[in-house]
Amino acid sequence: KQEVTQIPAALSVPEGENLVLNCSFTDSAIYNLQWFRQDPGKGLTSLLLIQSSQREQTSGRLNASLDKSSGRSTLYIAASQPGDSATYLCAVPRDSNYQLIWGAGTKLIIKP
Amino acid sequence: GAGVSQSPRYKVAKRGQDVALRCDPISGHVSLFWYQQALGQGPEFLTYFQNEAQLDKSGLPSDRFFAERPEGSVSTLKIQRTQQEDSAVYLCASSLLFVRGDDEQFFGPGTRLTVL
Repeated sequence: KQEVTQIPAALSVPEGENLVLNCSFTDSAIYNLQWFRQDPGKGLTSLLLIQSSQREQTSGRLNASLDKSSGRSTLYIAASQPGDSATYLCAVPRDSNYQLIWGAGTKLIIKP
Repeated sequence: GAGVSQSPRYKVAKRGQDVALRCDPISGHVSLFWYQQALGQGPEFLTYFQNEAQLDKSGLPSDRFFAERPEGSVSTLKIQRTQQEDSAVYLCASSLLFVRGDDEQFFGPGTRLTVL
C-alpha cells in the first residue's frame, strides 16, 4: 500500500533563505509526483508535476527533484519570500492513475 | 467563472442533519473529483466522475455519502444523518480529461463542514 510522508510538518525560516521540503513514498513504482500549495480558504494550486522518467522540474524559484529508487522527492525554494507562506503537499497517483495519495503537508512560514 | 467554485464555503450542521455540498467545475472539464480533508491531513479521495458517470466511489466512507453529477457539469455531494466525524473540508477538483494521471487537477476553495 502506497504511503506518502512529509517531513517536517512545520517549518519557519527568515525571509531570503533557501529551503528544502521533503516528500517520501513507500512504493517506488509511481507514474508521477506532484507538488501543491494550499493557502487557507483558497484550495489547492498545482506547482510542479514530475513524470517518473524525469529527475527534476523547475518553475521560477521552485525546483522539484525526484529519486524513484530511494522513494524521495524534494521541493527547493530559493530566496524565500513572505508570500511563500502556505502548506505544501505532495501527491502520487494510485495504480488507477487518477486517485491521488497525499502527504499530510509541510506548513511553511516565512518571517519578514 | 474562471475556476472551480464550491458552495457553501462554510456549513454548520447539527448531528443527524442532511447536508448538500455543491461543486461547479471549470466549463468543459470532463473529470470531476471529490476529496475529504481532515484538519492537519492531506486530502483523501472520495469519488470520481467522467461526465455524468460515477466511475469510482471507492473512497466514500459510508452509505451515508452520496454524490451525483446528473448532467455532467455541476456535482453535488450529499451526506445524510451527519456525524461529528464527518467534520472536514470537502474539496472538489476538475480536470479536462484525467486519464493517465498527468493532467492537472484544478481545485475549488472547499466547503468547511462542522458537525455539532
